[in-house]
Amino acid sequence: AQSVTQPDIHITVSEGASLELRCNYSYGATPYLFWYVQSPGQGLQLLLKYFSGDTLVQGIKGFEAEFKRSQSSFNLRKPSVHWSDAAEYFCAVVGGSYIPTFGRGTSLIVHP
Amino acid sequence: EAGVAQSPRYKIIEKRQSVAFWCNPISGHATLYWYQQILGQGPKLLIQFQNNGVVDDSQLPKDRFSAERLKGVDSTLKIQPAKLEDSAVYLCASSLVPSGGSDTQYFGPGTRLTVL
Repeated sequence: AQSVTQPDIHITVSEGASLELRCNYSYGATPYLFWYVQSPGQGLQLLLKYFSGDTLVQGIKGFEAEFKRSQSSFNLRKPSVHWSDAAEYFCAVVGGSYIPTFGRGTSLIVHP
Repeated sequence: EAGVAQSPRYKIIEKRQSVAFWCNPISGHATLYWYQQILGQGPKLLIQFQNNGVVDDSQLPKDRFSAERLKGVDSTLKIQPAKLEDSAVYLCASSLVPSGGSDTQYFGPGTRLTVL
């Protein structure tokens, strides 16, 4: 069975500061990995995904994520956070069963 | 291109009542998903359709939840009877290709259900 852990429930950063959101997964092989963002009252939007190739993945809105097999991690990064990035961020994994499993989410708070 | 549509956006019912949610996926999308998102948690997959067939419903509480996808297009999710713990946001998503794990899911805005 696959699982996802997002260890940080809340992250607070100042506008313009860098950001890293952590995601660890458990799966016997390399799964498909996703990061989604959810703004209040809205559905989830895909930021980026990884399933093979270059381990550094570029996404929308200036986000990137790096797959590290040795650490079973897929952390999301952004060099300079904007106030509009305040939202809930979800990491998701899809394994051989093709059933998506989401983490509990990390709430990003951006201070001016 | 129109996105995934869901209705209603909000619903308040009393326990033991019935409720139904509707989802219209993006045109041409083969795969449709229903998720339950309880406050403070990530979405949990309830059921996954490919066209009008069920791919997975292992996490659907079948004693009270049911879902169907009419003619492989729109879908309804029903709860009968509702319990207090069913209070959540119900998200519908669709993806273009038959379920293969790597395809992007497009989510609707969700239906927020409150069971009193």
